[in-house]
Amino acid sequence: DIQMTQSPSSLSASVGDRVTITCQASQDISNYLNWYQQKPGKAPKLLIYDASNLETGVPSRFSGSGSGTDFTFTISSLQPEDIATYYCQQYDNLRTFGGGTKVEIK
Amino acid sequence: QLQLQESGPGLVKPSETLSLTCTVSGGSISSSSYYWGWIRQPPGKGLEWIGSIYYSGSTYYNPSLKSRVTISVDTSKNQFSLKLSSVTAADTAVYYCARLRQWLRFRDAFDIWGQGTMVTVSS
Repeated sequence: DIQMTQSPSSLSASVGDRVTITCQASQDISNYLNWYQQKPGKAPKLLIYDASNLETGVPSRFSGSGSGTDFTFTISSLQPEDIATYYCQQYDNLRTFGGGTKVEIK
Repeated sequence: QLQLQESGPGLVKPSETLSLTCTVSGGSISSSSYYWGWIRQPPGKGLEWIGSIYYSGSTYYNPSLKSRVTISVDTSKNQFSLKLSSVTAADTAVYYCARLRQWLRFRDAFDIWGQGTMVTVSS
């Protein structure tokens, strides 16, 4: 089974800050990685697919990069509406989600 | 606009079988570009993929749940279903159904989700 490790598990940042989340796979998954945003009480929303492709309609302040085992998700300028938990998910072999990163406003 | 809606009992007794249905509206479950899946989230915890199905009936499951899970599809009703047997309190979670969009073979993402349904396992 492929394990996905996200860090940090939570972070607090100010509006306008650059926020970075990392996701590490237990084995090489090429770029078979998606990122989701989940707001409290809501279903997750797809933000990034294929590690770096922005889903249609998603603001350009969100971006993703990486390949192999190490991936990064970035919010270039944190906005109040970005308060949520973010999950990575691999699809190289079956499907596995990372543990999530909760983003809060400082 | 495609929508997914989960339905089923909100309370299941330990050792019994959890049964949920996802109804797809605004589009066909038989489209060749999509798989369909179930994901769950225990209270206060992260997401866990349960399994996925193609309209033809082809399935693949999370190995940790495989012995207890059955996912099926009914194209005539535009629905797919989840059965999880021998449930315990650890199966208490919000259960989501979702569409798995494929843009290339073996490349896909959960792009449309149902609102989720809370299932509690308790006597």
